[in-house]
Amino acid sequence: AQSVSQHNHHVILSEAASLELGCNYSYGGTVNLFWYVQYPGQHLQLLLKYFSGDPLVKGIKGFEAEFIKSKFSFNLRKPSVQWSDTAEYFCAVNARISGGYNKLIFGAGTRLAVHP
Amino acid sequence: DTAVSQTPKYLVTQMGNDKSIKCEQNLGHDTMYWYKQDSKKFLKIMFSYNNKELIINETVPNRFSPKSPDKAHLNLHINSLELGDSAVYFCASSQENTGELFFGEGSRLTVL
Repeated sequence: AQSVSQHNHHVILSEAASLELGCNYSYGGTVNLFWYVQYPGQHLQLLLKYFSGDPLVKGIKGFEAEFIKSKFSFNLRKPSVQWSDTAEYFCAVNARISGGYNKLIFGAGTRLAVHP
Repeated sequence: DTAVSQTPKYLVTQMGNDKSIKCEQNLGHDTMYWYKQDSKKFLKIMFSYNNKELIINETVPNRFSPKSPDKAHLNLHINSLELGDSAVYFCASSQENTGELFFGEGSRLTVL
C-alpha cells in the first residue's frame, strides 16, 4: 500500500535558521509529489509540486524540495525561516488507482514553530 | 471569487443528530474530494467523485453519505453523529491528470 512518512513531527527553530523537513514515500509507480502548508486556522495551500524534469523544485515563499528517486524522498528546505513560516507542513504523493484516477495520500504532517 | 467554498464553516451539534456540509467549486474541475482532519492534524481521504460518479470510498461508516448533484458540487451528509466525528472536514477539487488538490477552507464539526 502507498504511504508517506514524515520523520519530524514537531520542529522548533529561531528566525533565520535553515529548515529541512524529511519526507519519504512508498509507491512503486510514477509519482507526483507535493508539499502543502496549513497556516494556523486556515486551509491547505500548495507550496510546491514535482511531476517530472528537474528534481530540484522551487516553490513559493523561498521553499524548495529535492526529489531523490533512489531514496524515495522529497525533502523540503528553506535557507532562512521567518516567524510567518509557523505552520503545519504536509508531504503528499499522488497514487494512481483503478480507472486511471488519482488519490492524494498525505503524511502525518510536521508542525513548525519559528520563534522571533 | 472563492475557488472551493464550503458551508458551514463551523457546526456544533449534539450526538445523534444528522447534519450536512456543502461544497462548491468554480474551477471547472472534474473531481471532488472529502478529507477528514482529526485533532492531530492527520488528513485522511473519505470520498471522491468524478463527474458525479463515486470513484473513491475509503473505509468510512455508512452514516456518512456523499452526494454530487453535478460536477461542481459535492455535499456530505452525516447521520447519527458520534463524538468521534468531531473533526475538520475539507472539500477539495482537482483536474484528474495532475492530482494537485485545491482545498476549501474547511468545516469544523464539533459533536457534544
